[in-house]
Amino acid sequence: EVQLVESGGGLVQPGRSLRLSCAASGFTFDDYAMQWVRQVPGRGLEWVSGISWNSVLGYADSVKGRFTISRDNAKNSLYLQMNSLRAEDTAFYYCVKSVGPNFGDYFDYWGQGTLVTVSS
Amino acid sequence: SYELTQPLSVSVALGQTARISCGGNNIGSKNVYWYQQKSGQAPVLVIYRVSNRPSGIPERFSGSNSGNTATLTISRAQAGDEADYYCQVWDSSTWVFGGGTKLTVL
Repeated sequence: EVQLVESGGGLVQPGRSLRLSCAASGFTFDDYAMQWVRQVPGRGLEWVSGISWNSVLGYADSVKGRFTISRDNAKNSLYLQMNSLRAEDTAFYYCVKSVGPNFGDYFDYWGQGTLVTVSS
Repeated sequence: SYELTQPLSVSVALGQTARISCGGNNIGSKNVYWYQQKSGQAPVLVIYRVSNRPSGIPERFSGSNSGNTATLTISRAQAGDEADYYCQVWDSSTWVFGGGTKLTVL
């Protein structure tokens, strides 16, 4: 059974940093691309970033230059380093698995999300 | 950047057919994906590549795509289909979501 468990969310002040983690299990992690998708409570979904099996990266314009996605295949883990956080980054952040090795492959499994709140 | 437009809400009588639209420039040339998100839960893929259903998704869910509009159709709507529905496409090396449609089953 595929499981994606996010951690690292919490309350952080504007301008500060936070690192999210996603522990993956139930599949061969290094064969698949992974994504981060966020959702402001009560609002819609927004793709944040994706990483292919071979670490080709993609970012939404809204986070480019501030967020960095990475993966550790040995630890079956996905990360999102978020710097220079803004109030508009407040959202639930979902770890998502793609159906194939490239981050242009669509999504099949989602974690339950971790809440990031950016506020002073 | 590419934009997808969905109606904020759609209502359907129990047992009837609901249609949720997703508008985008020449979206008919793209693969479209649909997700269902029930309250307090993570999204679930219900349609991939326009009209394909993942295992476990009822045949009542179907999709189509032509011109500037993609459509998710839910036949014989049930109370359990009440949820937010999002369309999604891949464009210019980014993933784009529609704003979401709240489906109410009356």
